[in-house]
Amino acid sequence: AQTVTQSQPEMSVQEAETVTLSCTYDTSESDYYLFWYKQPPSRQMILVIRQEAYKQQNATENRFSVNFQKAAKSFSLKISDSQLGDAAMYFCAYRGYNNNDMRFGAGTRLTVKP
Amino acid sequence: GAGVSQSPSNKVTEKGKDVELRCDPISGHTALYWYRQSLGQGLEFLIYFQGNSAPDKSGLPSDRFSAERTGGSVSTLTIQRTQQEDSAVYLCASSSGLAGGRGNEQFFGPGTRLTVL
Repeated sequence: AQTVTQSQPEMSVQEAETVTLSCTYDTSESDYYLFWYKQPPSRQMILVIRQEAYKQQNATENRFSVNFQKAAKSFSLKISDSQLGDAAMYFCAYRGYNNNDMRFGAGTRLTVKP
Repeated sequence: GAGVSQSPSNKVTEKGKDVELRCDPISGHTALYWYRQSLGQGLEFLIYFQGNSAPDKSGLPSDRFSAERTGGSVSTLTIQRTQQEDSAVYLCASSSGLAGGRGNEQFFGPGTRLTVL
């Protein structure tokens, strides 16, 4: 079974600085998708960024980028120029190409200090 | 253009009672998911509906949990004889269900916080 591990329960960053959130996963599949979701106190899960495993190029969305290392099964999220609004729980998630469900990590709580 | 909506926002019930949670997916989305998020935890997959296909119930934790999706749109998650360990936030998500591309993005509702006393 696929598992997703987020080893950092909490992280903090100074406003305008850069922070990296770690995620590793375990799978025997070759085709899959990886996601980072943000969950603010409102509970609304918001997709931040996603990566298709067959793409070697790391995904980027504005201030958010990933470092996808397929061989190492690592998928870290880098947030540049951190803003107060970035404070939230961040979940890493895995979905197999032909699977119906998505596997989530336990989450990392990010605090942004002004 | 409304997103996924869920009701009620919060539900407090007594142990042993049955509860129904509702999810309205984005119009036109054929795929619908239910997840459970216990306090301080990640999301746990419960059940998946895709069009008129038989649902994938592999994540339901016990036979007290069931879900229906009527007319390929609204879904209800029913928990019978609730237990205190059922207390959690129940999240619903929908997607267009298309293979590849943006079809894999799941759009989440705000969740229902269930408290079993």
